[in-house]
Amino acid sequence: EVQLVESGGRVAQPGGSLRLSCAASGFMFRSYEMNWVRQAPGKGLEWLSWISSPGDDMTYADSVRGRFAISRDNSKESLFLQMNALRPDDSAVYYCVRRSGATPDHWGQGTLVIVSS
Amino acid sequence: QSALTQEASLSGTVGQKVTLSCIGDSTNIGSYDVGWYQQISHGAPKAVMLGTSLPSGIPDRFSGSKSGTTASLTISGLQPEDEAVYFCSAWDYSLRAQLFGGGTKLTVL
Repeated sequence: EVQLVESGGRVAQPGGSLRLSCAASGFMFRSYEMNWVRQAPGKGLEWLSWISSPGDDMTYADSVRGRFAISRDNSKESLFLQMNALRPDDSAVYYCVRRSGATPDHWGQGTLVIVSS
Repeated sequence: QSALTQEASLSGTVGQKVTLSCIGDSTNIGSYDVGWYQQISHGAPKAVMLGTSLPSGIPDRFSGSKSGTTASLTISGLQPEDEAVYFCSAWDYSLRAQLFGGGTKLTVL
């Protein structure tokens, strides 16, 4: 069974940093591209970042480019999101999402980030 | 990044057929499979259609189609448990971004 378990969400100060992690199991992690997607309270889904299966190519949404960095460790079957220069509008549930072909297929349960002083 | 366009809300009665749409353009829906995701009460989204393929465990009353730059999700024989928000998504090769629609709130009357 495919499992994606996010962690690292907490309350952070504006201007601060957080690192989110996603532990993958139940599939060959190194063979799949991965995404981070977030959802602010009462809002829709916002894609943030994509990373290739070997981890040598990535892309970002305009809203986070230059502040967030996606990475992965295939040996540890883990995906990461380094979040810097946090703003209150970064408050959201952050999802780790597997991509199959060109389509997201499996989602984690999410981890909550609150940016507030 | 631009979003895909979905109806804000739709409703139907139990047993009815309902079709949700997702409008994009040639750089996204026109070029790639579209994913559809069901979100119930702000839980994690769950894939209910990937292109025209039904993920494991999803009932066959769900079906997907695409014509040009518009994708559709049809639920035949609506059930109370289908009440949810449904999002569509497609990769955009020009933007190098995964686009999402704003979501359709489906109410089962």
